[in-house]
Amino acid sequence: NAGVTQTPKFRILKIGQSMTLQCTQDMNHNYMYWYRQDPGMGLKLIYYSVGAGITDKGEVPNGYNVSRSTTEDFPLRLELAAPSQTSVYFCASNTDSLNTEAFFGQGTRLTVV
Amino acid sequence: AQTVTQSQPEMSVQEAETVTLSCTYDTSESNYYLFWYKQPPSRQMILVIRQEAYKQQNATENRFSVNFQKAAKSFSLKISDSQLGDTAMYFCAFMKHAVNNDMRFGAGTRLTVKP
Repeated sequence: NAGVTQTPKFRILKIGQSMTLQCTQDMNHNYMYWYRQDPGMGLKLIYYSVGAGITDKGEVPNGYNVSRSTTEDFPLRLELAAPSQTSVYFCASNTDSLNTEAFFGQGTRLTVV
Repeated sequence: AQTVTQSQPEMSVQEAETVTLSCTYDTSESNYYLFWYKQPPSRQMILVIRQEAYKQQNATENRFSVNFQKAAKSFSLKISDSQLGDTAMYFCAFMKHAVNNDMRFGAGTRLTVKP
């Protein structure tokens, strides 16, 4: 009963380094999302995907890239890490039935120093 | 754009008592969905309750209930018989009808249940 799985749980990056946050779900959901959560703030949408091969920008996409080659996987890539990208990142998914709740992973805490 | 406001950054309640968390939102939409999510220290986001704007009846889930006031654009969460396991961040969220990609979250309320 895995649901949405994110790796890694924690990571420290140096400025300018790159990394990929992994997200996989085993619920056959078509919709997948990446959010970031800054201290004292709610979640903000970075990118989303409505199915394999389809991605689109959310509210705060700058500095990030995504891909969706399979239904299960939705990795988030940071190319040139900046201190402003220090945050907790959440991956989520839901079905394409209208307005169903999203299921979330446990988050990745990323620190850029 | 839709905005969600949670005006109480922190709250506390004694075990077994009742607490109400506030949420207001701003939208020009007439049909939408509202959610309360719980985020315990484990960071897992857990759906607590959801409300469809076209339904007048307030949603309830065991000890959790909402007071949905559509005209006032208010969506408060009442937790009855508070338990230590209710200690968490609580986020109010708004989603437009038929737009799964656009869920807007409030800044959250940190609730502490005291023994």
